[in-house]
Amino acid sequence: SYVLTQPPSVSVAPGKTARITCGGTRGKSVHWYQQRPGQAPVLVIYYDTDRPSGIPERFSGSNSGNTATLTISRVEAGDEADYYCQVWDSSNDHPVFGGGTKLTVL
Amino acid sequence: QVQLVESGGGVVQPGRSLRLSCAASGFSFSSYGMHWVRQAPGRGLEWVAAISSDGRNEYYADSVKGRFTISRDNSKNTLYLQMNSLRREDTAVHYCAKRGNGWYEIDYWGQGTLVTVSS
Repeated sequence: SYVLTQPPSVSVAPGKTARITCGGTRGKSVHWYQQRPGQAPVLVIYYDTDRPSGIPERFSGSNSGNTATLTISRVEAGDEADYYCQVWDSSNDHPVFGGGTKLTVL
Repeated sequence: QVQLVESGGGVVQPGRSLRLSCAASGFSFSSYGMHWVRQAPGRGLEWVAAISSDGRNEYYADSVKGRFTISRDNSKNTLYLQMNSLRREDTAVHYCAKRGNGWYEIDYWGQGTLVTVSS
């Protein structure tokens, strides 16, 4: 079974760049979800780098080696949320989520 | 637009049963696999179960296997989760979620329904 490792928290000042990592992704495509407090998750990046319609260009993704990274440029107060990475466990045919990273905007 | 609306949550005693429903609209429901994903209070996301578009194939997390059953009625655009032998550790917000076009991502989530298992 896959284990995805995310830092529990990341803090960033408004206008700066936040980077959230997800370890354990070697050979896998990675998807990222944003979950604001009290709300359902929202897909923000899929297949490592693609952005769904309606998601700002400030959100981008990369995946190299054994680590995927979600990058949020020009961070805004509204970006404060929990972020989860996800890969697909092909052996058992189900999604696997990372533990989540709480992004705090200072 | 895609809408997923869960219902059926509530407070239930340990060992009892509950059935969740998810009404889908805004897309061709019968063309997509569906998931249930849950989130215990203050915790992360945990995949629970999945079902293929035609309902023939079901998949379960080890934590619920043998107790929960996922099903769907494509004529009613509705997804279900029958939860039996509930345990305190099943307390969570349960989300209905739609499989994406790429197959391996989840592109839409419902607002969730809270299941509380307590005596």
